[in-house]
Amino acid sequence: AQKVTQAQTEISVVEKEDVTLDCVYETRDTTYYLFWYKQPPSGELVFLIRRNSFDEQNEISGRYSWNFQKSTSSFNFTITASQVVDSAVYFCALSELEYGNKLVFGAGTILRVKS
Amino acid sequence: NAGVMQNPRHLVRRRGQEARLRCSPMKGHSHVYWYRQLPEEGLKFMVYLQKENIIDESGMPKERFSAEFPKEGPSILRIQQVVRGDSAAYFCASSSTGLETQYFGPGTRLLVL
Repeated sequence: AQKVTQAQTEISVVEKEDVTLDCVYETRDTTYYLFWYKQPPSGELVFLIRRNSFDEQNEISGRYSWNFQKSTSSFNFTITASQVVDSAVYFCALSELEYGNKLVFGAGTILRVKS
Repeated sequence: NAGVMQNPRHLVRRRGQEARLRCSPMKGHSHVYWYRQLPEEGLKFMVYLQKENIIDESGMPKERFSAEFPKEGPSILRIQQVVRGDSAAYFCASSSTGLETQYFGPGTRLLVL
């Protein structure tokens, strides 16, 4: 069964703090993709990253970094030196080759960054 | 390269009316997906279409909802006889193939009075 769990409903931090958003997934497929999307207060969904199940290399993009660990079925997202503009809802998502390309989303984590 | 376009951005309907939501995929993309975000809930898959074909409609409600992606023109999500529970944000996404990243449009916020 496909399932994505984002246990943190809401996180509040002060600007410049580092913050990690957790994502745990369940899948029986060996080929799958993991994603993070950002939904700012304006409401659109912004693509951040996609990883496939065969690539466990961690990735860094500016202040963003992602840690993919198949052993714990986790795909965590860290924002370094957070900024107010990072305030948004962040969604982790999974797609499995067996089920086509449809995305299964976690419930989302609301991140509030205070100045 | 224009992104995914959705219109209208906001739609108000009275109970029993029909709602038509439109989605134009990114240029070069022939795969379209519809998702629904109910208030205080996450995003749920509804339907996956390619040109003139419904590939996966496992997330579509059994009644009142339909989707199409004609050879020419945008994809349409149609909701007949809307009820208050249909009030939600409806997002369209597109991808170049069935395995590539989905890029989302800005969404249509449907409010049923």
